[in-house]
Amino acid sequence: AQKITQTQPGMFVQEKEAVTLDCTYDTSDQSYGLFWYKQPSSGEMIFLIYQGSYDEQNATEGRYSLNFQKARKSANLVISASQLGDSAMYFCAMREGIQGAQKLVFGQGTRLTINP
Amino acid sequence: ETGVTQTPRHLVMGMTNKKSLKCEQHLGHNAMYWYKQSAKKPLELMFVYNFKEQTENNSVPSRFSPECPNSSHLFLHLHTLQPEDSALYLCASSRRPEGEQYFGPGTRLTVT
Repeated sequence: AQKITQTQPGMFVQEKEAVTLDCTYDTSDQSYGLFWYKQPSSGEMIFLIYQGSYDEQNATEGRYSLNFQKARKSANLVISASQLGDSAMYFCAMREGIQGAQKLVFGQGTRLTINP
Repeated sequence: ETGVTQTPRHLVMGMTNKKSLKCEQHLGHNAMYWYKQSAKKPLELMFVYNFKEQTENNSVPSRFSPECPNSSHLFLHLHTLQPEDSALYLCASSRRPEGEQYFGPGTRLTVT
């Protein structure tokens, strides 16, 4: 079974609109972390935002916010006021495992295209 | 220079060649990683090094051989690869194994 599920292979959004990228996860760990990365066509993975499983407030970083719903095991990324430069692949990832042996598991990704 | 760098950016090699991928991080991090990104598949973790010690080998075939001489450098030695090994190979580093990882630009490998 997939640990990280991103159900939207592709999304098309008008510039300046807000966009939500979906991510659900599956874990039995009490302590885990959730990450979002952006991968432009150049290939580099860019860290965007992090949410810890014990964090009570949703993480925010500039135009990025993470809508963390623990009971539903979802960690959606919200991008406000989208820009043309936001066009890229977006990956949700989960850190799991015991201390000292943790690793990131990535979802399949969502290709976001911002239209002018 | 800052961040995580990888060389070469592109590599084409035959199945009998031996080559090496290099990764260098200038962030003072202690953990380094190799990932493989194939078309239409999620990013796959290959190896993890923490303070130069290998802590994870994710069932990677022996034709891939990692080397971590110090916390700033990570190599991936390649020999007798198969065409299905063609992929983008990404290096990453983090301050701690549980922290956010910072990635290099990747090496696009094509095995002919």
